[in-house]
Amino acid sequence: EPEVTQTPSHQVTQMGQEVILRCVPISNHLYFYWYRQILGQKVEFLVSFYNNEISEKSEIFDDQFSVERPDGSNFTLKIRSTKLEDSAMYFCASSPHTGDPGTGELFFGEGSRLTVL
Amino acid sequence: KNEVEQSPQNLTAQEGEFITINCSYSVGISALHWLQQHPGGGIVSLFMLSSGKKKHGRLIATINIQEKHSSLHITASHPRDSAVYICAANRHTGTASKLTFGTGTRLQVTL
Repeated sequence: EPEVTQTPSHQVTQMGQEVILRCVPISNHLYFYWYRQILGQKVEFLVSFYNNEISEKSEIFDDQFSVERPDGSNFTLKIRSTKLEDSAMYFCASSPHTGDPGTGELFFGEGSRLTVL
Repeated sequence: KNEVEQSPQNLTAQEGEFITINCSYSVGISALHWLQQHPGGGIVSLFMLSSGKKKHGRLIATINIQEKHSSLHITASHPRDSAVYICAANRHTGTASKLTFGTGTRLQVTL
């Protein structure tokens, strides 16, 4: 069964360092998302991506964050200069095109745990 | 006030019990998702529904759009059902889905 894969599963970094989290969505999916979950808190939407551009982003997704689909398969989340509060589990998700973009089923990756020291 | 509220926050059940988890939302939605988060952290989509009822194995999800309420039922619960169950509302957006998540219901099923 096709799945969304994320790497790395766990990354430890120093505050101020750049981090890139990678995701390989399911191959025929057209919508891509990043979510994060700070330990003990609820999952939060970061950004959605469609047709090679950001379609929506939350207030969390500030200038320190960027997303890219560099080669048609990978979907990356970059944090330019990490802060302690960026420590969280980051989930990538993708969904197929259904005609109504709001009703596509979501497929999640296993998550990348980021620890900022 | 949270836009998506779940109850209960924690639930302990004995194997075989019928379980209901509730979700209320205050925003307009295009769909509602029920998700399962494993102890290791991974998230699996269980249901995505915009009306009526869906069933998959021992799991049933219902939604009442007028009342802005959804329920997830587990029949004949089993210890392997132990997980956090999260409802998430798909907001009305023009281009793509933006999920607003509930805080989750932690379910523990014991023998």
